[in-house]
Amino acid sequence: EIVLTQSPGTLSLSPGERATLSCRASQSVTSTYLAWYQQKPGQAPRLLIYGASNRATGIPDRFSGSGLGTDFTLAISRLEPEDFAVYYCQHYGSSFPITFGQGTRLEIK
Amino acid sequence: EVHLVESGGGLVQPGRSLRLSCAASGFAFGNYGMYWVRQVPGKGLEWVAYIAWNSGNIVYADSVKGRFTISRDNAKNSLYLQMNSLRHEDTALYFCTKRAGNDFYFDYWGQGSLVTVSS
Repeated sequence: EIVLTQSPGTLSLSPGERATLSCRASQSVTSTYLAWYQQKPGQAPRLLIYGASNRATGIPDRFSGSGLGTDFTLAISRLEPEDFAVYYCQHYGSSFPITFGQGTRLEIK
Repeated sequence: EVHLVESGGGLVQPGRSLRLSCAASGFAFGNYGMYWVRQVPGKGLEWVAYIAWNSGNIVYADSVKGRFTISRDNAKNSLYLQMNSLRHEDTALYFCTKRAGNDFYFDYWGQGSLVTVSS
């Protein structure tokens, strides 16, 4: 089973700043199989990024994903008020189990 | 537009059973694999079970194997989760999610159904 560790646990930034969220895997993963989700309070998660760097339908281009091997990053170039939420990375390789990181909370400074 | 609507949650005593349902619309339900994912309130996400489009491949997380059963009825555009021998640690919000084509990530989520296991 691949364990995903996200950092930091909480990130405090101001609107307009750049956010960088990290997701580290316990073993090398195929970058095709790394996704990111955003979850706001009281809502279901929403798919942001799949295949490590592909934006899902309707996701603004201020969101970008990158990485390979064991280190992956979600970047938000200019934070908007609606971007403050919890973000999860997910590994979804060709075999189970599917695993999630523990989440990074992005809060307004 | 894709819609996934869960139902069937509630308060149940430890050791008892509960069945969740998920009504799907807005896509060709019978062509896609589906999942259940759960989240303890205030905590992270945990994948629970997967069922292929034709029920030909079914996989469970170790934490629910032998107690939970995932199933689907493509004629009714519905997904189910039969939960037996419920434990306190099964208390969570249960999401129905859709597989994204040929990849095993989730492109759509329902709003969830809350299951509380308590005496």
